[in-house]
Amino acid sequence: AQSVAQPEDQVNVAEGNPLTVKCTYSVSGNPYLFWYVQYPNRGLQFLLKYITGDNLVKGSYGFEAEFNKSQTSFHLKKPSALVSDSALYFCAVRDIKASGGSYIPTFGRGTSLIVHP
Amino acid sequence: ETGVTQTPRHLVMGMTNKKSLKCEQHLGHNAMYWYKQSAKKPLELMFVYNFKEQTENNSVPSRFSPECPNSSHLFLHLHTLQPEDSALYLCASSQELAGRVYEQYFGPGTRLTVT
Repeated sequence: AQSVAQPEDQVNVAEGNPLTVKCTYSVSGNPYLFWYVQYPNRGLQFLLKYITGDNLVKGSYGFEAEFNKSQTSFHLKKPSALVSDSALYFCAVRDIKASGGSYIPTFGRGTSLIVHP
Repeated sequence: ETGVTQTPRHLVMGMTNKKSLKCEQHLGHNAMYWYKQSAKKPLELMFVYNFKEQTENNSVPSRFSPECPNSSHLFLHLHTLQPEDSALYLCASSQELAGRVYEQYFGPGTRLTVT
């Protein structure tokens, strides 16, 4: 079984400050981890992913995420927040299905990021 | 977002109506998905099609009926819906290859209101 937790419903940060959106996961096999962003009245947009290799993953719009196997975390970070970063952020994990071999994704509940001017 | 399109963007229907949602992907992907996104709830996976074959049906009520005529098109046929089915319905696609894991691409969604 696989699961994802985003412990914060909302994160508030001032423009120019660093931001962190938290994500922890649980999988039976190797974790394949993703971050997506959703702007109002839009679908989800892919930001970045961790499959294997370097624990620090860089993605779109200056975002990055750090994979920490011992803490089973994959927190999203950005050194300097912009007002335009305000959106809903989803963490997702994909693990190989026990039968059938297909990768079925599980999404977190989402974290609303609000960046204040 | 232009890689995955969804029509209509907004739909209001009565509980006795029959309607269909359409999704089209222009990315050459071989897997397509339907998700339901309700306020205050996690994203719910409804159906998965891989190479036009349905591989997942996540205990979805039979009033939702998917159809995947080819790897580029996905439909969700709706009939006798309930007010609690009001939500944003998202379509997504991805390229699925054995041993490889790729991200999903989402359409803008159809905002469904059941009256």
